[in-house]
Amino acid sequence: GQQLNQSPQSMFIQEGEDVSMNCTSSSIFNTWLWYKQDPGEGPVLLIALYKAGELTSNGRLTAQFGITRKDSFLNISASIPSDVGIYFCAGRDTANNFNKFYFGSGTKLNVKP
Amino acid sequence: GAGVSQSPSNKVTEKGKDVELRCDPISGHTALYWYRQRLGQGLEFLIYFQGNSAPDKSGLPSDRFSAERTGESVSTLTIQRTQQEDSAVYLCASSLASSSELARSRTQYFGPGTRLLVL
Repeated sequence: GQQLNQSPQSMFIQEGEDVSMNCTSSSIFNTWLWYKQDPGEGPVLLIALYKAGELTSNGRLTAQFGITRKDSFLNISASIPSDVGIYFCAGRDTANNFNKFYFGSGTKLNVKP
Repeated sequence: GAGVSQSPSNKVTEKGKDVELRCDPISGHTALYWYRQRLGQGLEFLIYFQGNSAPDKSGLPSDRFSAERTGESVSTLTIQRTQQEDSAVYLCASSLASSSELARSRTQYFGPGTRLLVL
């Protein structure tokens, strides 16, 4: 079955530092999504990527769709305390199932003021 | 409200009992998804509804799990004869369109989830 590996599992950083996390898949995806989940809430979409090589920013967040179509990364610049939460990648392989998104296991981000 | 709502927010049940979880999607959203999120894990796809088309049930883990949706409105996820391993957060998401070629129309908006604990 589909394998989606997300790393790191958790991060402890100082406010102001930059953060990088990534996801790799065992097969080719043609959509990559990055979500943030706060405690007790559902995930909220941060960035969506639809083309290999695409680099998209949303404020201090930047994500890229890897050219191999098997990976994606998310960068957060100049982290602030409200960046705390769990970040999930998700991908879709429309050749196999247009409806089904696979999720990584999450990267838990802790930011020290 | 304008978002996806789910009820109950928390449910504690005894092993062997049936539970029913409810999702109210965003008005006008034709696509609806159910996911399961175990503690410290990512989301597992369970089932997908799109309008009046046959649902995609490929993610349902066993025949104890079933879901219904009437038209483009409320959906219920039913777990029969619950087991302790069913304890998880069950998340519902809806999106504007699924058959559209515009990929951006498939952005999923999640509800807050139902936290299920099976004792």
